[in-house]
Amino acid sequence: NAGVTQTPKFQVLKTGQSMTLQCAQDMNHNSMYWYRQDPGMGLRLIYYSASEGTTDKGEVPNGYNVSRLNKREFSLRLESAAPSQTSVYFCAGGDGYEQYFGPGTRLTVT
Amino acid sequence: GEDVEQSLFLSVREGDSSVINCTYTDSSSTYLYWYKQEPGAGLQLLTYIFSNMDMKQDQRLTVLLNKKDKHLSLRIADTQTGDSAIYFCAGLIYNQGGKLIFGQGTELSVKP
Repeated sequence: NAGVTQTPKFQVLKTGQSMTLQCAQDMNHNSMYWYRQDPGMGLRLIYYSASEGTTDKGEVPNGYNVSRLNKREFSLRLESAAPSQTSVYFCAGGDGYEQYFGPGTRLTVT
Repeated sequence: GEDVEQSLFLSVREGDSSVINCTYTDSSSTYLYWYKQEPGAGLQLLTYIFSNMDMKQDQRLTVLLNKKDKHLSLRIADTQTGDSAIYFCAGLIYNQGGKLIFGQGTELSVKP
């Protein structure tokens, strides 16, 4: 039982490149979330998916897209990376009132 | 919208109690949480309290909720060096897909 897994752990992109961050959960949770964490700030919600087949914007969705591929997997795509997207990205899964976080992806855009 | 504020740093001696404070603006938060983040790691759920409770105790952790002042605190008894981490409080907005609103995090440093 791995909980929430994320790949890759680290990534360096050049401005304008695209990439997809992968997230999978084996806890059978209906809801999944993508957050970003920047120095001196708490986590901010990018997108979430309350159930398979649905996605909604969070606080900071600009520059990102998401896909809820199935109940287990929720991916985050950067179509044209910008230096402002340098951050640590966390995926979470949850139901009701508990959310469990993955280990994070540290992304640097140069 | 919800805003959650925390002081940024706290330093204590090993064996002392630590108290980490948090204030929030939106009284519609149904649950309030404390997460712990160790360097280079994800967030670990420590404890949570439902908004109709005043206090919750879980081993060395005590959570106090003052709804009137919209103030949440986490007390760690007998603080150990392994408790050194960043602690985040968060409020759950249940009717918005269960999204969490986080404070900036309090960095707890425990000195031997």
